[in-house]
Amino acid sequence: AQKITQTQPGMFVQEKEAVTLDCTYDTSDPSYGLFWYKQPSSGEMIFLIYQGSYDQQNATEGRYSLNFQKARKSANLVISASQLGDSAMYFCAMRVLNSGYSTLTFGKGTMLLVSP
Amino acid sequence: DAGVIQSPRHEVTEMGQEVTLRCKPISGHNSLFWYRQTMMRGLELLIYFNNNVPIDDSGMPEDRFSAKMPNASFSTLKIQPSEPRDSAVYFCASSLGLAGSYEQYFGPGTRLTVT
Repeated sequence: AQKITQTQPGMFVQEKEAVTLDCTYDTSDPSYGLFWYKQPSSGEMIFLIYQGSYDQQNATEGRYSLNFQKARKSANLVISASQLGDSAMYFCAMRVLNSGYSTLTFGKGTMLLVSP
Repeated sequence: DAGVIQSPRHEVTEMGQEVTLRCKPISGHNSLFWYRQTMMRGLELLIYFNNNVPIDDSGMPEDRFSAKMPNASFSTLKIQPSEPRDSAVYFCASSLGLAGSYEQYFGPGTRLTVT
């Protein structure tokens, strides 16, 4: 079974600073994918970034990057140059890739508040 | 492009009433998921379909919950009879497939309040 742990219930950051949201995972399968989603106060879940376990480089999408440390089983999300609109709940999720049908396992989430 | 569409966005009902939540997945997506989100339990997967066929409904909490997907563009989640503990936000999500790196695209959710 897969498990995702997000140890930070809440994080605060000032506008224009960078922030790292922690995510650790547990799986015995060597082939897996890691996902980050953002949930603003309006409620929708927005896909941000994906990292495959065999990807050689850390994934980046605009101001989002994933600090993937396979040996430590961590997949931290880094948001550079924070903006007020980044205030939201952030969820880390994973899926095993080489099984026939595999669904996303989500963490409990981290609430990020960006202050002016 | 239209995203995942859910209706209604808000539903308030009395205990014992039947509730039907609706979802239209993104065109071309062949996998559909129903989730429930509460403060206490976080995001829970209830059931998912692939090519309109239910694959795993082990997350459905009780027999009061049922879900159908009669065609590729429509799914329903029904609660009968509803109870106050069913109050939650219900999300529908779709993806291009179940395997691989396909991300799930979520709808805006239906906020259900059972009084």
